[in-house]
Amino acid sequence: DAGVTQSPTHLIKTRGQHVTLRCSPISGHKSVSWYQQVLGQGPQFIFQYYEKEERGRGNFPDRFSARQFPNYSSELNVNALLLGDSALYLCASTLRSAGNTEAFFGQGTRLTVV
Amino acid sequence: GQQLNQSPQSMFIQEGEDVSMNCTSSSIFNTWLWYKQDPGEGPVLLIALYKAGELTSNGRLTAQFGITRKDSFLNISASIPSDVGIYFCAGPPSNTGKLIFGQGTTLQVKP
Repeated sequence: DAGVTQSPTHLIKTRGQHVTLRCSPISGHKSVSWYQQVLGQGPQFIFQYYEKEERGRGNFPDRFSARQFPNYSSELNVNALLLGDSALYLCASTLRSAGNTEAFFGQGTRLTVV
Repeated sequence: GQQLNQSPQSMFIQEGEDVSMNCTSSSIFNTWLWYKQDPGEGPVLLIALYKAGELTSNGRLTAQFGITRKDSFLNISASIPSDVGIYFCAGPPSNTGKLIFGQGTTLQVKP
């Protein structure tokens, strides 16, 4: 079985542009979460989606948005990119939306904003 | 908000040595997860703990869920060079699906 897959693996964008990152969860998992990890820190929660509905949102500006599709894959969109948005963006897949559940991460998308 | 504090921040050890790192919180967690992250990769789940006092092993790794539910530790026995990486503890605040991560413990192993 394939694990969590993310695309693209690397991306370079210019300030002010927008970006779309994609994630496919583990087969059978219905929840996808997005995290931002800047260098030297642990991942920070951005969004959680379960059954195509937003179930949680972290402390990120409205420039960040996401959605989940009927096949449970997900997109993270960031508008009006800032230099500070440069980070590793991680997608995590879980079986359920909450409770004792283990989160499995993809390899991440390295976004560089110049 | 809730925070997880990991210590030590970094460790530099000799191959074959045992390693211990811990994670503490000011509030109670019902689940503790330990991850390892290699440079440029996503975190890989090592051990999941669900009950206070629980002790769980995964090969040379052993983790325990503290009785107070406010701490957890991870031990690595007989370290090898491939143990190099950043180890994160993480847990979900009650009734949420998000994870809060510690700041990580960087492990370097000298052959």
